[in-house]
Amino acid sequence: DAGVTQSPTHLIKTRGQHVTLRCSPISGHKSVSWYQQVLGQGPQFIFQYYEKEERGRGNFPDRFSARQFPNYSSELNVNALLLGDSALYLCASSLGWGWTEAFFGQGTRLTVV
Amino acid sequence: DAKTTQPPSMDCAEGRAANLPCNHSTISGNEYVYWYRQIHSQGPQYIIHGLKNNETNEMASLIITEDRKSSTLILPHATLRDTAVYYCIVRATGANSKLTFGKGITLSVRP
Repeated sequence: DAGVTQSPTHLIKTRGQHVTLRCSPISGHKSVSWYQQVLGQGPQFIFQYYEKEERGRGNFPDRFSARQFPNYSSELNVNALLLGDSALYLCASSLGWGWTEAFFGQGTRLTVV
Repeated sequence: DAKTTQPPSMDCAEGRAANLPCNHSTISGNEYVYWYRQIHSQGPQYIIHGLKNNETNEMASLIITEDRKSSTLILPHATLRDTAVYYCIVRATGANSKLTFGKGITLSVRP
């Protein structure tokens, strides 16, 4: 069975640009969460989506947005990129709301120059 | 969610048991203890979770003290592939499913 897949695996962007990261959850999982992990720190929660609705948001600016599609895949969008947005972006899928046995993808390494 | 405290690092010899401690003295009655690990450059991997009873699966055992203020993750026969950052997380179910990661404990397994 396929696990959580994220694309692209690596990305280099310039300050001020926009980026879209994609995530496909495990088949049957209806909840997707996004995390940001900067070097040397643990992952920090950005968003959770369940049944295409936002169910939780971390302490991130409005430049960060996300959505979930009818097939439960998800996109994370970041506008007006800053150097500090350079990080590993992780997607996690779980069966449903309140289910914390989450399965993570390998992440997208974003470098902003 | 309650806060957890873990030592920054520890090591153990290959083939020996690795006992990773976690303090969660402010844990509430409806909060579970979760353990994840992250091998370098990979996404975090779920290991085990528990409420108050000890739990065991194919990867590890979780021992929670009777007062639930601390727990220990046990890897019974550590291998070099168990070298990773291990995160102890406390949270309640039935609500926002976010996981609040700290810095974790870096386990180094030596040959």
